[in-house]
Amino acid sequence: DAGVTQSPTHLIKTRGQQVTLRCSPKSGHDTVSWYQQALGQGPQFIFQYYEEEERQRGNFPDRFSGHQFPNYSSELNVNALLLGDSALYLCASSGRAGSEKLFFGSGTQLSVL
Amino acid sequence: ILNVEQSPQSLHVQEGDSTNFTCSFPSSNFYALHWYRWETAKSPEALFVMTLNGDEKKKGRISATLNTKEGYSYLYIKGSQPEDSATYLCAPPNQGGKLIFGQGTELSVKP
Repeated sequence: DAGVTQSPTHLIKTRGQQVTLRCSPKSGHDTVSWYQQALGQGPQFIFQYYEEEERQRGNFPDRFSGHQFPNYSSELNVNALLLGDSALYLCASSGRAGSEKLFFGSGTQLSVL
Repeated sequence: ILNVEQSPQSLHVQEGDSTNFTCSFPSSNFYALHWYRWETAKSPEALFVMTLNGDEKKKGRISATLNTKEGYSYLYIKGSQPEDSATYLCAPPNQGGKLIFGQGTELSVKP
């Protein structure tokens, strides 16, 4: 049973560019959440997708957008990249209920130069 | 806005030592509390999901307690081993499942 998979594992972009990160949830999970983890901080919630809609959003600008597909996989898009967007981006999947534990992918390390 | 505090930020212990660390969270509108272990170069892995005041959970040498009235949870590791070295994160979710993570406690266990 494959767990949560993310691609790519590493990415280097320059300021102003756009990036798309991808996530496939654990089998049987229909909810996908994205987190940003910067050095010295805990993961920060970006948004959550369920039934192909954004259900919750953290304190991130509109440059951060996402999508969920009918097969529950998800994409995170970041436009007009800033140096401060350099971070590890984690995808996590779960069942619908909020009390269920999250299963995390290994993350995508994004470096913005 | 939930404010989740974890202490200490880092901890260095010798193999065989027992240790504990704290997660503090707002006690109002409590729903649940998650604990995760994050080893270097791996994915965060769930340890416990706790929902009831007074709850105590155990997984091998690791256990956790929960006090929802005063807003804290303790994580204990008995007889620490080098493989316990990791960052331990706590996070209360809201009802929709949005987790608010603390900054974590980084544990280093020396052989």
